Amino acid sequence: EAGVAQSPRYKIIEKRQSVAFWCNPISGHATLYWYQQILGQGPKLLIQFQNNGVVDDSQLPKDRFSAERLKGVDSTLKIQPAKLEDSAVYLCASSALLAKNIQYFGAGTRLSVL
Amino acid sequence: AQRVTQPEKLLSVFKGAPVELKCNYSYSGSPELFWYVQYSRQRLQLLLRHISRESIKGFTADLNKGETSFHLKKPFAQEEDSAMYYCALSRTGNQFYFGTGTSLTVIP
Repeated sequence: EAGVAQSPRYKIIEKRQSVAFWCNPISGHATLYWYQQILGQGPKLLIQFQNNGVVDDSQLPKDRFSAERLKGVDSTLKIQPAKLEDSAVYLCASSALLAKNIQYFGAGTRLSVL
Repeated sequence: AQRVTQPEKLLSVFKGAPVELKCNYSYSGSPELFWYVQYSRQRLQLLLRHISRESIKGFTADLNKGETSFHLKKPFAQEEDSAMYYCALSRTGNQFYFGTGTSLTVIP
């Protein structure tokens, strides 16, 4: 089966600009996650969707970050405006509804904010 | 607050030697614990879960609720085990917390 697809792979922007990341989960996976991984740290969960509803967004900086999964399939994560400290790898993962703890990760988008 | 601690950022062992990657957690309820692995130039992937109580690639991990630990062990390390290992905790399939990771190098 095809894995979790993410684009772009790399993005370089200047601070205060906007950026968006896209994720297409494994077909049929109801649960989708966005993580932020800063260099030297483990992944930090930003938001978790089940179908098109938000399950958990307690660690999402809502003043600048937003995410949507309108049709319950693919998802976008947006940062507006970006700060230097947003430089990180943004990982998307998905899991099946009956196996929520088995997450499949995408390759990630590496964001550099200058 | 939930927290996962991996005290070693770097760990080197010789091929054939035993290896133990430490993971401690703090959580007031009954968590689910996992080990994820990322090989060079590959995606992060699940290695094993405590509820399955299985051995994957020779690795095992036992949940010790008394010591709040979930250490990953392998009796004889292989060169292909060199990778980044992350311990993770989940509350009933939601709210995942990852540790900072341990980079394992197996010396030939």
